[in-house]
Amino acid sequence: ELKVEQNPLFLSMQEGKNYTIYCNYSTTSDRLYWYRQDPGKSLESLFVLLSNGAVKQEGRLMASLDTKARLSTLHITAAVHDLSATYFCAVVGYSEYGNKLVFGAGTILRVKS
Amino acid sequence: DGGITQSPKYLFRKEGQNVTLSCEQNLNHDAMYWYRQDPGQGLRLIYYSQIVNDFQKGDIAEGYSVSREKKESFPLTVTSAQKNPTAFYLCASSTWTGLDYGYTFGSGTRLTVV
Repeated sequence: ELKVEQNPLFLSMQEGKNYTIYCNYSTTSDRLYWYRQDPGKSLESLFVLLSNGAVKQEGRLMASLDTKARLSTLHITAAVHDLSATYFCAVVGYSEYGNKLVFGAGTILRVKS
Repeated sequence: DGGITQSPKYLFRKEGQNVTLSCEQNLNHDAMYWYRQDPGQGLRLIYYSQIVNDFQKGDIAEGYSVSREKKESFPLTVTSAQKNPTAFYLCASSTWTGLDYGYTFGSGTRLTVV
């Protein structure tokens, strides 16, 4: 059974600092997603990572994927207050009935000025 | 514009009542999903459906029921058997694009038991 673990679950950062969120998953998958969620809102897609060694960057966020280690990272560079949100990683699981997304517990990020 | 519409945005339920959450998509997606989100937790899969008239239980299906009579619609009923239904519910859909599954999420329904 596919399990997805994120850490840390809560992250309080000072503006301008760098930090990394980690996402481990238990069984082989061919794609991993990162989402952002603001309070009371739906999910906003950030990145889709499709292959080993994939790296994608958007602004101050950079995501990478190591399929051999079953590990993805979301690196935050020079954090700003607007990045405060909850970040989820999700991995595609497969069964005889089709595909489904399995989510990590989420990382609550608070950027303090 | 194509998308997923969930209604209502807020829903209040009395103890012992069944309530139905609506999810409609005009993306022509084949698969649809229901997730539940509790504070401080990730999204947990309730039910999913890959084709019309077929659906599968997810990780937390007890106390919930669904139907998939039309490709566009995947309503979720929260029954009185669900002991702790207060949560945020998200509907999603997907279809294979040749590169990706194109998961799309609705705006959610917040259900509160009063």
